[in-house]
Amino acid sequence: DQQVKQNSPSLSVQEGRISILNCDYTNSMFDYFLWYKKYPAEGPTFLISISSIKDKNEDGRFTVFLNKSAKHLSLHIVPSQPGDSAVYFCAAINTNAGKSTFGDGTTLTVKP
Amino acid sequence: GAGVSQSPSNKVTEKGKDVELRCDPISGHTALYWYRQRLGQGLEFLIYFQGNSAPDKSGLPSDRFSAERTGESVSTLTIQRTQQEDSAVYLCASSPGPVNTEAFFGQGTRLTVV
Repeated sequence: DQQVKQNSPSLSVQEGRISILNCDYTNSMFDYFLWYKKYPAEGPTFLISISSIKDKNEDGRFTVFLNKSAKHLSLHIVPSQPGDSAVYFCAAINTNAGKSTFGDGTTLTVKP
Repeated sequence: GAGVSQSPSNKVTEKGKDVELRCDPISGHTALYWYRQRLGQGLEFLIYFQGNSAPDKSGLPSDRFSAERTGESVSTLTIQRTQQEDSAVYLCASSPGPVNTEAFFGQGTRLTVV
């Protein structure tokens, strides 16, 4: 039973437009959510996070939205840049248990 | 260094041999994770250490896999009698603790079983 799902394996966007990456979860005990970015031959790096007490967190071009009732979160990148091309992983945590659960990732390609 | 360090960065081994992968977490980080990423697939959880608590081994795929952690420092992931399906990138991550939840990843060990 996969508790964190990223249903789109890939996404292609034109430079300057908005990229929207989606993530769904099933475990209502998750109370903290993170997005990681991974370039080839490197480990994932933390991008942005959101606590379950919020519905939006913004950091520059990156905004994460959380819809708790739908158990859905999304990452918006505006405007998208070619350097944003990478694999994006969504992760969810029950902070009482501590373990991060990752989705399978979405490969974003931003075309110049 | 200041980051998570994994060694070796690449390992080619013959089927049936044992391998040991090493992870040096960031100093002071109490939580340590091992993940596996097969080619074209997502991050597969293997094992989680948190302080002195019993590790969460629920992700280990078979009894050929084991991991140890010395206190809150180095961890080793051992794969016995390697099989071709064990070929993957093995990623280690550490975080300051269960509450502060951002994980810092190493660059991974690429294991190829031939």
